[in-house]
Amino acid sequence: AQSVTQLGSHVSVSEGALVLLRCNYSSSVPPYLFWYVQYPNQGLQLLLKYTSAATLVKGINGFEAEFKKSETSFHLTKPSAHMSDAAEYFCAVRPWAGSYQLTFGKGTKLSVIP
Amino acid sequence: GAVVSQHPSRVICKSGTSVKIECRSLDFQATTMFWYRQFPKKSLMLMATSNEGSKATYEQGVEKDKFLINHASLTLSTLTVTSAHPEDSSFYICSARGTDAAPEQFFGPGTRLTVL
Repeated sequence: AQSVTQLGSHVSVSEGALVLLRCNYSSSVPPYLFWYVQYPNQGLQLLLKYTSAATLVKGINGFEAEFKKSETSFHLTKPSAHMSDAAEYFCAVRPWAGSYQLTFGKGTKLSVIP
Repeated sequence: GAVVSQHPSRVICKSGTSVKIECRSLDFQATTMFWYRQFPKKSLMLMATSNEGSKATYEQGVEKDKFLINHASLTLSTLTVTSAHPEDSSFYICSARGTDAAPEQFFGPGTRLTVL
């Protein structure tokens, strides 16, 4: 069974500072990995995805994530936080074959301090 | 592309009534749609997986007779909360799967259900 662990339910950064949101997965084989963002009272928007094409994945809004198989990690980063980045971020995993279901982490709320 | 809509975005109903929520894929055909429930400050809980033309597959603990799911076409799935009670109040989100070449799910904007 797959699982996703997001370290830190709440992360605060200053505007302009580095954003680092951590995600570790548990899977017998490298899966598909995703980062989604959710703004209040809205659905989820895909930030980026890992599909084995490249270990460093660039997404929207300046975010990127690096897949590290040895560490079973897929941490999300952004060099400089913006106020508009304040939201809830979810890491999710899906197996290569078989089920299309996503398994979500518990989410990390990002606050950006002016 | 890959837009999923939900209707209504917000609904308030009386206890004992039924509420239908629609989920539509606007610019692609969705063979599979998913229904999630999200409690305040919590992650998404998968309720059921819906495949076009067949019965939905419900997750353990989800009452299939209470949460009726219909996926009549490749662009529309509906969730009906029957005999709603205050504990059914929640944020319901649907998603749709694209093709195998695009493994991600595309999410609707969610429906806030409040049962009085």
